[in-house]
Amino acid sequence: GAVVSQHPSWVICKSGTSVKIECRSLDFQATTMFWYRQFPKQSLMLMATSNEGSKATYEQGVEKDKFLINHASLTLSTLTVTSAHPEDSSFYICSARAPGSGGTEKLFFGSGTQLSVL
Amino acid sequence: QQPVQSPQAVILREGEDAVINCSSSKALYSVHWYRQKHGEAPVFLMILLKGGEQKGHDKISASFNEKKQQSSLYLTASQLSYSGTYFCGTRSNDYKLSFGAGTTVTVRA
Repeated sequence: GAVVSQHPSWVICKSGTSVKIECRSLDFQATTMFWYRQFPKQSLMLMATSNEGSKATYEQGVEKDKFLINHASLTLSTLTVTSAHPEDSSFYICSARAPGSGGTEKLFFGSGTQLSVL
Repeated sequence: QQPVQSPQAVILREGEDAVINCSSSKALYSVHWYRQKHGEAPVFLMILLKGGEQKGHDKISASFNEKKQQSSLYLTASQLSYSGTYFCGTRSNDYKLSFGAGTTVTVRA
């Protein structure tokens, strides 16, 4: 199957600092990537849709100035958590939509990033 | 809007069967099933498209009833490796996947 690489796997930072998370599709081009947030024992909540070459689309309630998304190439999307606070601590997962048609597009997930803000 | 999954959790012995249900209040284009092990990313299992299709992956199969806006995942003769949290993802015509709350499956020897 397709491979999506997410880095870093975990990060601990001080409150007020910014953290960048990278998501790369290694063996296919992904015009669309998605960023999810997952709290312990809960579902994946879509934060935003990242489209190559255009502005990201954020879900309701997600602060676009706090969670900056850049999709500069067909294989790389980045999520920057700006001025992180303890309530931003969570498991962040990216996914890339592999090419397909007629609704057969599959999502391949990165391995996730556990962010802990002290 | 998130689909509704049931049950929340199920405990099985090896070799037993289980059914996980997923329903949506919106008209669905497709249903995706994923399994997530603790501390890992979700792994794709299968996609079901409109047309009431059924699919199988080893001894895990699924059905999709688009009229009822429901899908079911069937775990047959469960193995220890089936343990994990199963998520259904539903896609309407906006190309976004919304995930259910998940069903935690524990298979015991």
